[in-house]
Amino acid sequence: NAGVTQTPKFQVLKTGQSMTLQCAQDMNHEYMSWYRQDPGMGLRLIHYSVGAGITDQGEVPNGYNVSRSTTEDFPLRLLSAAPSQTSVYFCASSRRGGRATDTQYFGPGTRLTVL
Amino acid sequence: AQSVTQLGSHVSVSEGALVLLRCNYSSSVPPYLFWYVQYPNQGLQLLLKYTSAATLVKGINGFEAEFKKSETSFHLTKPSAHMSDAAEYFCAVSGPGGATNKLIFGTGTLLAVQP
Repeated sequence: NAGVTQTPKFQVLKTGQSMTLQCAQDMNHEYMSWYRQDPGMGLRLIHYSVGAGITDQGEVPNGYNVSRSTTEDFPLRLLSAAPSQTSVYFCASSRRGGRATDTQYFGPGTRLTVL
Repeated sequence: AQSVTQLGSHVSVSEGALVLLRCNYSSSVPPYLFWYVQYPNQGLQLLLKYTSAATLVKGINGFEAEFKKSETSFHLTKPSAHMSDAAEYFCAVSGPGGATNKLIFGTGTLLAVQP
């Protein structure tokens, strides 16, 4: 198993540009989520999904869109990038949705810089 | 609302010394608690988790943590630090009530191990 994969590893955008961060998992996990990591703030939840076709907002959803058309993929879209979205983005998955005790598995991250 | 607080953003120990990383939680219901480790330029990896089965939880790489309800704490310890333990450590809580996989992270503690 490749686990949770993310592409790209690094990205530089200009303010106002759009892009999609890709996340895929090959473990048949129901639950997938996106976090952003900023210095001194830990990780904060952006959006999550408990299964294909179901998504919901996390703590910091503004400026981001998601969709979940398949179990495997959970892309994160930035419609109009802003410097405040400069961060490291992590995708995570766990086996079942709605189970707080399940271990979450994290991808390697995407480092995004918005100029 | 649930939250976790990690005391000490930076901790430095000598190789062979005791490692103690502090985490206090705030929750109106019994929480599920996690410790994750992040090595440089990598994603997060689960060290251990408390799911109400046993108050002393043993994890990977010789780490353990004890859930103390009276102190609302879940501190991470390791008897003897190794150079390879140098990383950032995050405490997290999920819930509420076990009905969701959403993780709320602390701000992290960067552990340095001196030779």
